[in-house]
Amino acid sequence: NAGVTQTPKFRVLKTGQSMTLLCAQDMNHEYMYWYRQDPGMGLRLIHYSVGEGTTAKGEVPDGYNVSRLKKQNFLLGLESAAPSQTSVYFCASRRGRERSTDTQYFGPGTRLTVL
Amino acid sequence: AQSVAQPEDQVNVAEGNPLTVKCTYSVSGNPYLFWYVQYPNRGLQFLLKYITGDNLVKGSYGFEAEFNKSQTSFHLKKPSALVSDSALYFCAVRPSLNFGNEKLTFGTGTRLTIIP
Repeated sequence: NAGVTQTPKFRVLKTGQSMTLLCAQDMNHEYMYWYRQDPGMGLRLIHYSVGEGTTAKGEVPDGYNVSRLKKQNFLLGLESAAPSQTSVYFCASRRGRERSTDTQYFGPGTRLTVL
Repeated sequence: AQSVAQPEDQVNVAEGNPLTVKCTYSVSGNPYLFWYVQYPNRGLQFLLKYITGDNLVKGSYGFEAEFNKSQTSFHLKKPSALVSDSALYFCAVRPSLNFGNEKLTFGTGTRLTIIP
């Protein structure tokens, strides 16, 4: 199993450009998450999904959109990138059941710089 | 609202000495508690978790953590530190009764440096 993979690993954007980050998992997990990591702030949840075709807002959703058309993929979109979106983005997944105790598995991250 | 506090940004320990990385939490009801480790330029790796039962939880790489309900703490410990333990450590909490709350709240991280 590859686990959780993220594409691309690095990206530099200009302000106003758009891009999509792809997260893929091969563990048949129901739940998937997008986080951003900024120095001194830990990880903050952007959006998440509890199953194919569902999405929900997390802690810091503004400026981002997501889609979960296939169970194994979770896409994070930036429609008009801003310098404040410079960050490291992590995707995670977990098996997921009601009141589940299972853990989240993380991808290697995408380092995004917006100039 | 749930929260996690890691009061120390940086912890330095001599190799071979015991180490402790502190974590306190706030959550409604009973907590699910997690420790993750992040090595440079890598994603987070799961170390251990407390769900229920024994307050002392053993995890990967010789780490353990003690759940203390009265002090709302979940400190990470290791009896003898290795240089390879140097990394960024995150504590996280989620309420056991989700009711639609999928949020796993992370602390800001503690950078552990083991000095040879």
